[in-house]
Amino acid sequence: AQSVAQPEDQVNVAEGNPLTVKCTYSVSGNPYLFWYVQYPNRGLQFLLKYITGDNLVKGSYGFEAEFNKSQTSFHLKKPSALVSDSALYFCAVRDWQLSNDYKLSFGAGTTVTVRA
Amino acid sequence: NAGVTQTPKFRVLKTGQSMTLLCAQDMNHEYMYWYRQDPGMGLRLIHYSVGEGTTAKGEVPDGYNVSRLKKQNFLLGLESAAPSQTSVYFCASSYSRTRNEAFFGQGTRLTVV
Repeated sequence: AQSVAQPEDQVNVAEGNPLTVKCTYSVSGNPYLFWYVQYPNRGLQFLLKYITGDNLVKGSYGFEAEFNKSQTSFHLKKPSALVSDSALYFCAVRDWQLSNDYKLSFGAGTTVTVRA
Repeated sequence: NAGVTQTPKFRVLKTGQSMTLLCAQDMNHEYMYWYRQDPGMGLRLIHYSVGEGTTAKGEVPDGYNVSRLKKQNFLLGLESAAPSQTSVYFCASSYSRTRNEAFFGQGTRLTVV
């Protein structure tokens, strides 16, 4: 089985401060990990993914995420948050060793609010 | 470049009515998915398809049916709508390799009264 946990329902930061959105995962094999962002009344937009290689992954809009296998975490980070980063963020995992399972499992989501 | 297009965007149904949600993608993706989004629960997979003519059940398939007669289209049907099916429905598609990210449509907000 595979699952994702986003321990924080909400994250509030001031503009210009660092932003971190936490994600931990559970898979029986090896993970492919993804971050998506959802703006109000819109679909999900892909931000970045970890497949293999460098543990630090850089993505769209200045976001990055660090894969930590020992802690089974994939936290999303941005050094300096913008008001426009306010949105709902989803972490997702797929277990690539389950070759017949194409399911992408999502966390419950974290609402980020960046105040001016 | 349209990407993934869902029709309709909003719908209100009475309990017991039926309807079909249409998803179309123009990226020649093999895999297509239907998810539902409910507050505090993230996205849950209803059904998915790994190619034309194939479908499979996801986490919450009860009360829904799907068809993939053409590669670019994935239809989600509700035969007898129930209030518990009030949700936002998202269609997504991806290339055949599991390492590839999924592309999402804009969503369909369905209310069953």
